[in-house]
Amino acid sequence: DAGITQSPRHKVTETGTPVTLRCHQTENHRYMYWYRQDPGHGLRLIHYSYGVKDTDKGEVSDGYSVSRSKTEDFLLTLESATSSQTSVYFCAISAQGTSGSPWEQFFGPGTRLTVL
Amino acid sequence: RKEVEQDPGPFNVPEGATVAFNCTYSNSASQSFFWYRQDCRKEPKLLMSVYSSGNEDGRFTAQLNRASQYISLLIRDSKLSDSATYLCVVSPGTGGFKTIFGAGTRLFVKA
Repeated sequence: DAGITQSPRHKVTETGTPVTLRCHQTENHRYMYWYRQDPGHGLRLIHYSYGVKDTDKGEVSDGYSVSRSKTEDFLLTLESATSSQTSVYFCAISAQGTSGSPWEQFFGPGTRLTVL
Repeated sequence: RKEVEQDPGPFNVPEGATVAFNCTYSNSASQSFFWYRQDCRKEPKLLMSVYSSGNEDGRFTAQLNRASQYISLLIRDSKLSDSATYLCVVSPGTGGFKTIFGAGTRLFVKA
C-alpha cells in the first residue's frame, strides 16, 4: 500500500465550472503524477511533479493545471470543465525499491468525473 | 503507430487454461518494463517487473525481447480471480517520467 488517497472519489459537474481534484500521499515520495484513463486510450499523463513547486506538462495537459505546495499534496485543476474531460483520473507516485531497480508507479483509487 | 501496443482482446478462457499476452513497444531506448493488472473500476496495480533474463512469480512468467521490442506475460493454470485487464507498461527509466501505458488486454476466465 503506497498510502495514496484521492478526493473526491466521484464528482458530477457542469460545463464551464472549475474543478479541483486532490491527491494525498503519506510516504514522502518526491515524484507524483496525474493521469486520465479513457476507453481505448489507456492511461495518459496530464501533469507530473518532481518536487514541491516543481511541475511539468504531460501528454494531455491542455485545460488542466496543477499545484504542489507540500510534498504530500498534488492538486489537479480543470479551469473550465468541458464534456471531453469526463474521465477517470488517477494520481500516482513513483518509487525505486533499491538503487538501480526499476522505478515503479503506484496509483491512488481514482476519481470518476462527469462533466454535463 | 502507438508507442505501446497490445491486443485489446477480450480473451475468454476456461479455468486451468494457459493464456499469453503480448506487447510491442516502439522506443528502443526504453529501460524498464512492467505488467500491471487492473480490475473493473479499480486502479492499476503492479503485477511484475519484466527483466531481460525473464522472471517468474508463481503462475506468472514475463519475458522481454529487446531486439524485437516485445514483452510477454504468460499465466498458467488460470483462476477465476485472474479475470482483469492486463496493462503493458514501458518506461525510459529514471523517475518514471514518460512512462507509457498500453491500453490493456481484457481477460475473462470462466468456470
